[in-house]
Amino acid sequence: QAVVTQEPSLTVSPGGTVTLTCGSSTGPVTSGHYPYWFQQKPGQAPRTLIYDTNNKPSWTPARFSGSLLGGRAALTLSGALPEDEADYYCLLSYSGARYVFGPGTKVTVL
Amino acid sequence: QVQLQQWGAGLLKPSETLSLTCAVYGGSFNAYYWSWIRQPPGKGLEWIGEINHSGSTTYNPSLKSRVTISLGTSKNQFSLKLSSVTAADTAVYYCASLEGEADYWGQGTLVTVSS
Repeated sequence: QAVVTQEPSLTVSPGGTVTLTCGSSTGPVTSGHYPYWFQQKPGQAPRTLIYDTNNKPSWTPARFSGSLLGGRAALTLSGALPEDEADYYCLLSYSGARYVFGPGTKVTVL
Repeated sequence: QVQLQQWGAGLLKPSETLSLTCAVYGGSFNAYYWSWIRQPPGKGLEWIGEINHSGSTTYNPSLKSRVTISLGTSKNQFSLKLSSVTAADTAVYYCASLEGEADYWGQGTLVTVSS
């Protein structure tokens, strides 16, 4: 089964920019993996931030954006706020296995 | 407004079968695939499998031998069974849709496996 990789943790200053990435053991991540990004805060269920690489649900703030970068899916947070401190999970789609989550990135705003 | 409500036993002994049910209210059950996802305490998310309204299923290969996802006996419900549980299956289990804007999650059920 494919393994999805993410940075374990990242720190960003308030108002700063940080990019989280999501890789696949099978090769470059493409739009055909339909990358998702979820945000999860303590004690809460995850919530979709980005789907299908760069599409945003209506509740996703404009400071979040999704893209493909260097063979990986990327989530960029521009203008970080204290409330953005959370765990972020990517999800990739594979034929057969359907979905595989990454291990998550803990983002600290400090 | 779509809401998911899930229920099932929260404490199991090793080798027993985990059984959870999820009911979908206020939306079109037929429009989406419905997934089960779990999260061990303090750890990351794991996709378990999914089902659609016609009963078509896909499972995580690493769990496939022990998992059954099926349509519920009542309308707009689906269920998860995981057999031969061990302590490694201790987790919060969520039912959910992973369909872009259709981001619906149950409240989560903590299932603990302990002798």
